[in-house]
Order: sequence, then C-alpha cells, then structure tokens
Amino acid sequence: DAKTTQPPSMDCAEGRAANLPCNHSTISGNEYVYWYRQIHSQGPQYIIHGLKNNETNEMASLIITEDRKSSTLILPHATLRDTAVYYCIVRGGIYNQGGKLIFGQGTELSVKP
Amino acid sequence: GAVVSQHPSWVICKSGTSVKIECRSLDFQATTMFWYRQFPKQSLMLMATSNEGSKATYEQGVEKDKFLINHASLTLSTLTVTSAHPEDSSFYICSAEQGLAGGPLGNEQFFGPGTRLTVL
Repeated sequence: DAKTTQPPSMDCAEGRAANLPCNHSTISGNEYVYWYRQIHSQGPQYIIHGLKNNETNEMASLIITEDRKSSTLILPHATLRDTAVYYCIVRGGIYNQGGKLIFGQGTELSVKP
Repeated sequence: GAVVSQHPSWVICKSGTSVKIECRSLDFQATTMFWYRQFPKQSLMLMATSNEGSKATYEQGVEKDKFLINHASLTLSTLTVTSAHPEDSSFYICSAEQGLAGGPLGNEQFFGPGTRLTVL
C-alpha cells in the first residue's frame, strides 16, 4: 500500500506558484520522498527526490519538514503544461521492498489561465 | 534525463491471442526494469520487477504464467500477455533504473511512454 496521503485535486492560476502537499507520517529513516507527475495518457515523469534536506532543480523545489512526516512540492511558476497528476511516493532502498515505487492516488493539479 | 521507449505504443488484438510489449533503455544500461498496469482513472499498479539475467519477481495477485517477463539484456525487457482477454485491456507502462534499484544514492526510475492494449 502507498504510504502517502495527498489531496485528490488542486487548482492553480497560471504564473503562480503551485504548492502540492504530501503527508508521509510513517516514513522511516532510510526512505526517500520522490515526486513524479503523469500527464494524461503518458508515462510518469520524474520531478525530484530527497531524503531530509530541501532540494531544488530546474523543475521544482522539494521542502521536507524537519520531522520528515510531510513534504511540499513547489512549482514556482505554474504553466498550463504543468496540468497533470502529481504523485508523492515514499521509497525504500534495496533492502526495503527492493526499491520499488508504489503509487498512491496522487493529486490532480489543474493550472488555469 | 535518460530515455526509455516502448513498442508498440498501442495494440488491438483478438481475445485468446498473445501480445508482446518491448521496453528499451536507449542511452543507459538498466539492471532493473519494472512493469506497471494502469486502468482508466486509476493509479499505476506495479506488476513485477525484472532483473537482467534472472527471473522476474511478481507482485501479489499478478499471474506469472499470464504475464511473461523476459529481461535478456541490460537494455531490453519484454512483457508478453498470453491468451489475452478483454479484462486485460489496459495501459501498460515500464520503467528502467540504472544501477542497483533504490540504491544508497536513491536512483531515479525512468518511465516509458506506455502501451495501450485493447483486447476485443
């Protein structure tokens, strides 16, 4: 079973920041937080991942709380092409479920003009 | 990022026939590949983990004799849906990972574009 909880849907205005929350209260010390997104009828796209420090790349920023029980994915300037389902996934290493990605229901983000 | 391809992108077949789907890592060697299935308006469901040169590991409830997986090289894994029936109609997605799955550095998993299977 997925170990994360996300709101089923969110709206965001184009050009504004999109902040997508994720709860993972049962995360263990060696588990990473991964974010993927899936645009309709395509394969998921990797966005970012982190262990305990905040991370930033060209697509997004990942803010992980100090207790690691929740995180927020930030798309700084959302565009219409960011409309997708966003999945927050807690992933163990090779000795924890073999590093598998277990997808939950995700958050359907709609970016509106 | 790394590129993973799938072939075909869509396929329609008659009930009772077998269908083979290919998953290739184009610019890296994938020691581990994963196969997922996704029904309309649902999330991805992991079917099996495929390691190069060894037998695939299937998730609970997935019939290994119906969904045959072969990972013969570091760049190719195939999923064969045997004796397909309409209930097997779905979106099949593979992913590939460079290096040891979920290794200490947290490897990325790269996904293919998916194959839509329709069984009549």
